Amino acid sequence: EIVLTQSPGTLSLSPGERATLSCRASQSVSSSYLAWYQHKPGQAPRLLIYGASSRATGIPDRFSGSGSGTDFTLTISRLEPEDFAVYYCQQYGSSPYTFGQGTKLEIK
Amino acid sequence: QVTLRESGPALVKPTQTLTLTCTFSGFSLSTSGMCVSWIRQPPGKALEWLALIDWDDDKYYRTSLKTRLTISKDTSKNQVVLTMTNMDPVDTGTYYCARTFGQWEPFDYWGQGTLVTVSS
Repeated sequence: EIVLTQSPGTLSLSPGERATLSCRASQSVSSSYLAWYQHKPGQAPRLLIYGASSRATGIPDRFSGSGSGTDFTLTISRLEPEDFAVYYCQQYGSSPYTFGQGTKLEIK
Repeated sequence: QVTLRESGPALVKPTQTLTLTCTFSGFSLSTSGMCVSWIRQPPGKALEWLALIDWDDDKYYRTSLKTRLTISKDTSKNQVVLTMTNMDPVDTGTYYCARTFGQWEPFDYWGQGTLVTVSS
């Protein structure tokens, strides 16, 4: 199975700053079938990015995804207070689907 | 509006069978391409996909748990049920159901999850 490793584990930033989250795969992700999710406590995870770089419906354009093969990045251009959450990457190109362990984005 | 909600026992004893129900609205599991999966997250660990059922009643399981899992659907009730046998404390975690439109698609809608604790 494809192992996804996210870094950093925790990212401490202030509103208005730029956030860069990394997701590295143990083998190439088929057809860039890589997604990013935002998860806040007590809420359902929210799909942000699919196909490595396509924003899901209703996602603000401050969220962007990039990468291919084994290295992927989620960038939040200017952090808003509501962006502080845990972020997960997921590959859905091979079975079993797998997730990274998450990056916690916290307010500095 | 698409919603999913998980329900089931909060506490089960070791060796018991867990039955979880995902009740959804805003879509039909009889629509071609529609799929619902179960995913869990042990405390402090990564999300782990468990099983998927599609509109055609095809079922897919995580290989390591295949002998313990059964997924089924009741299209008339808009429900998907997951059973997991022989529960162990390592199965403690939050269990989510989520929708995909196609087997090789991201999870576009999730439930809020239900916490299951396995303890005697």
